Amino acid sequence: GAGVSQSPSNKVTEKGKDVELRCDPISGHTALYWYRQRLGQGLEFLIYFQGNSAPDKSGLPSDRFSAERTGESVSTLTIQRTQQEDSAVYLCASSDPPGLAGGLFHEQFFGPGTRLTVL
Amino acid sequence: KQEVTQIPAALSVPEGENLVLNCSFTDSAIYNLQWFRQDPGKGLTSLLLIQSSQREQTSGRLNASLDKSSGRSTLYIAASQPGDSATYLCAVAQGGSEKLVFGKGTKLTVNP
Repeated sequence: GAGVSQSPSNKVTEKGKDVELRCDPISGHTALYWYRQRLGQGLEFLIYFQGNSAPDKSGLPSDRFSAERTGESVSTLTIQRTQQEDSAVYLCASSDPPGLAGGLFHEQFFGPGTRLTVL
Repeated sequence: KQEVTQIPAALSVPEGENLVLNCSFTDSAIYNLQWFRQDPGKGLTSLLLIQSSQREQTSGRLNASLDKSSGRSTLYIAASQPGDSATYLCAVAQGGSEKLVFGKGTKLTVNP
């Protein structure tokens, strides 16, 4: 596709429910990143995929958070038993794979985000 | 742990002014630095990317510089316009995954 897309754009849920957020990266981008932005805070890294493996999960805040990716395509971020502190905008980005290519490190392109509100 | 700081947190200027946004980072072991703009309720738009081996990048009225050794970057906006009003974010890429570490942003308002 032309850019990174995410769905839904907005999600309101009740505390304790599970939610799934979806990201469609730019076609051909093997690297995929999830970030979140809580109100008044900077963006925080959550997880990185290269293909369908996740070599860096260091940003996941708890075991209630998980993510998977199908091949070099769609990724789903799942939050189980949501809490109010999970309320945030969840952003997905994609890029060509990390590492030098022609002396350059790659730019990340971001989707519009999913605004999650946990009541 | 890498920390990215942006100063000022907010800036309000009259249309036509030239302005400078500042970004500093604590760990100079970065791969690149990106400047983004974020409009309310929207995602991030990439403005400029500076590789760690580069000193500056220019795009239209925007110029970004990087001094990796001192841990600083500046974004210069020439002849500001009301359409430039947005939050500007600075981020550095590091680690094997090249994950981005972000500052909290500078909220810019350009008044007509």
